[in-house]
Amino acid sequence: DAGVIQSPRHEVTEMGQEVTLRCKPISGHDYLFWYRQTMMRGLELLIYFNNNVPIDDSGMPEDRFSAKMPNASFSTLKIQPSEPRDSAVYFCASSLGRDRGRTNEKLFFGSGTQLSVL
Amino acid sequence: AQKVTQAQTEISVVEKEDVTLDCVYETRDTTYYLFWYKQPPSGELVFLIRRNSFDEQNEISGRYSWNFQKSTSSFNFTITASQVVDSAVYFCALRGILYSTLTFGKGTMLLVSP
Repeated sequence: DAGVIQSPRHEVTEMGQEVTLRCKPISGHDYLFWYRQTMMRGLELLIYFNNNVPIDDSGMPEDRFSAKMPNASFSTLKIQPSEPRDSAVYFCASSLGRDRGRTNEKLFFGSGTQLSVL
Repeated sequence: AQKVTQAQTEISVVEKEDVTLDCVYETRDTTYYLFWYKQPPSGELVFLIRRNSFDEQNEISGRYSWNFQKSTSSFNFTITASQVVDSAVYFCALRGILYSTLTFGKGTMLLVSP
């Protein structure tokens, strides 16, 4: 199993530019999460999807952030326009919501995208 | 609201020492789940353990052990005979029954020196 795949691994961009982060969850997983990690705030949940439907986007910091999941095997997180304070590591994670009848919160994380906005 | 506190920002030990990572949580839920994740230098978080609030039995897995104390709202993680490969950031996390997602602590960076 390939695991959760994120791209790019590193992204350096200039302030004001549009940034798109990509994620391919593990096949068969019905939950997908986007997290942001910074030294100051730790791991923050931005948004999560269940069966491709956004369930909770209350963690999305501003309207500059948007996320989509057009199908079960692909999700994007877009920042437009980007700002230096958006610099962070962005993680995508997926999980199987029900495992043998029990809720399963075992998240599988991708390797993250290190975003630097100059 | 849910909250997870990992008071130790960074711990340094020498190989073969035992080390305990502290985790204190807050939740209003009577049923909840506690987790530990490891983030090695490669970056991705790796699941280590999940415990239910109604199961206070301590767990041991090789050199790893977890001490769940409901009375003090703590879920501490001990590594026995630490190794250099244990160097990582360790996150404690909580999910209350009323919440659909995990709340993570800020993590403890463990550095094991040879």
